[in-house]
Amino acid sequence: DAKTTQPPSMDCAEGRAANLPCNHSTISGNEYVYWYRQIHSQGPQYIIHGLKNNETNEMASLIITEDRKSSTLILPHATLRDTAVYYCIVRVVSAGGTSYGKLTFGQGTILTVHP
Amino acid sequence: GAVVSQHPSRVICKSGTSVKIECRSLDFQATTMFWYRQFPKQSLMLMATSNEGSKATYEQGVEKDKFLINHASLTLSTLTVTSAHPEDSSFYICSAWGRKYNEQFFGPGTRLTVL
Repeated sequence: DAKTTQPPSMDCAEGRAANLPCNHSTISGNEYVYWYRQIHSQGPQYIIHGLKNNETNEMASLIITEDRKSSTLILPHATLRDTAVYYCIVRVVSAGGTSYGKLTFGQGTILTVHP
Repeated sequence: GAVVSQHPSRVICKSGTSVKIECRSLDFQATTMFWYRQFPKQSLMLMATSNEGSKATYEQGVEKDKFLINHASLTLSTLTVTSAHPEDSSFYICSAWGRKYNEQFFGPGTRLTVL
C-alpha cells in the first residue's frame, strides 16, 4: 500500500471548517483513500473513503485532486468532540469491491478543536 | 455502522500470567478479524490477521507463540497474551470485517497493564 504524509498537528476553532490534508503521491490506480479517526483511548472510527470522485457523508467530505496525489478531509462545522487523531490511509480494494485488506496506520494528524 | 465489542476493557495482571482478550462482532459475521497494538503516543501496529477457521497470519516481529489468536467462530476472536511481562503493557484493539458491511469496524480497545 502507498505511504501517506500528514501534518503532525492542526488547530481549528469550534464551528469552523477543519481541512485536513494528506499527500499520497505514490498512490496506484487500484488504491482507495480512507480516513479514520481515533479519539483518545478508543478504537479507530471509519469516516469516509473514495477512489477519485469527491465524496460526502454525514460526517465529512473528501476532496481528491484530479491526479489523486493528495486529498483533503473536510469537517464542515467542527465541534469539541471532533478533537482526535485523524489517519489517512491508502489501500487496495479487490476487483470484486471487497475491502477486507489490512490497514497500515501512519502517525496521523492530531486535530485540536478549541472553543 | 456495525458494532464490535471487546472484553475486558481494562485488565491488570502480574508478570508471568496469561491474559485473554475477546473480540466480538455483534450484528454481523466477521470472516476476518485483525489485532492491533498501540503503545502510548504511537500509532496502531498490526499484529496479526485471522480468518475464521484457519490459523492466524502474524506480522513480522510478532511472536505467534506469545500472542495466541483463535478465531473459532464468525463472531468471536480471542487474543491470549501468554506469560505476560511489563513490556507487553499496551492498548490492544481488534477490528472485524464481514461481507454484510464490506468494511472494517474497530472495537473499543483493551488496556493491558502488566505489573
